[in-house]
Amino acid sequence: DTGVSQDPRHKITKRGQNVTFRCDPISEHNRLYWYRQTLGQGPEFLTYFQNEAQLEKSRLLSDRFSAERPKGSFSTLEIQRTEQGDSAMYLCASSWDYEQYFGPGTRLTVT
Amino acid sequence: AQTVTQSQPEMSVQEAETVTLSCTYDTSESDYYLFWYKQPPSRQMILVIRQEAYKQQNATENRFSVNFQKAAKSFSLKISDSQLGDAAMYFCAYRPTGANNLFFGTGTRLTVIP
Repeated sequence: DTGVSQDPRHKITKRGQNVTFRCDPISEHNRLYWYRQTLGQGPEFLTYFQNEAQLEKSRLLSDRFSAERPKGSFSTLEIQRTEQGDSAMYLCASSWDYEQYFGPGTRLTVT
Repeated sequence: AQTVTQSQPEMSVQEAETVTLSCTYDTSESDYYLFWYKQPPSRQMILVIRQEAYKQQNATENRFSVNFQKAAKSFSLKISDSQLGDAAMYFCAYRPTGANNLFFGTGTRLTVIP
């Protein structure tokens, strides 16, 4: 297994457009997390899945954000009607226990 | 509220020397996990070392070791024999036992001088 992968690595979009990111976790990991990281800051938690169930959502996850993990494998994070404030690195992590392993992230730029 | 503070935005070290990165955290929990992650430029975050709060012995991974002071809520990272490849952002992170997510500090940028 090559670790957590994310696609795309970079996304430039115009304000108001919808974007979707994909995360493929390490295959034996049943837990999946999304974080957002802005410049000069540490990652901030967005949401958590155990298998296919979304068990926790941060207050940072506004109504424009939705995440899914069908069949408990890969996950998608969609942002509708993007705003300039959504520009950030979106990180995915997976785990079997308390150690989280991160993907390379998707850098979103909203123009 | 759970907060993690890294008071050193930037640090530098001469190659082969030792450097210590500081981290303090605020919690009312008695059981939790602490981590140091390394994020090289334009590369993904890598777990460097972890510490379970119930363990009194400080964790060690090769050249990396921690000084865990539970009463002081301090969790510093010591890098011995620094190498050029150690240059990165280092993030301290905290996870309560009953929680699912990590709480991160703002990071310390480490520069290694040849």
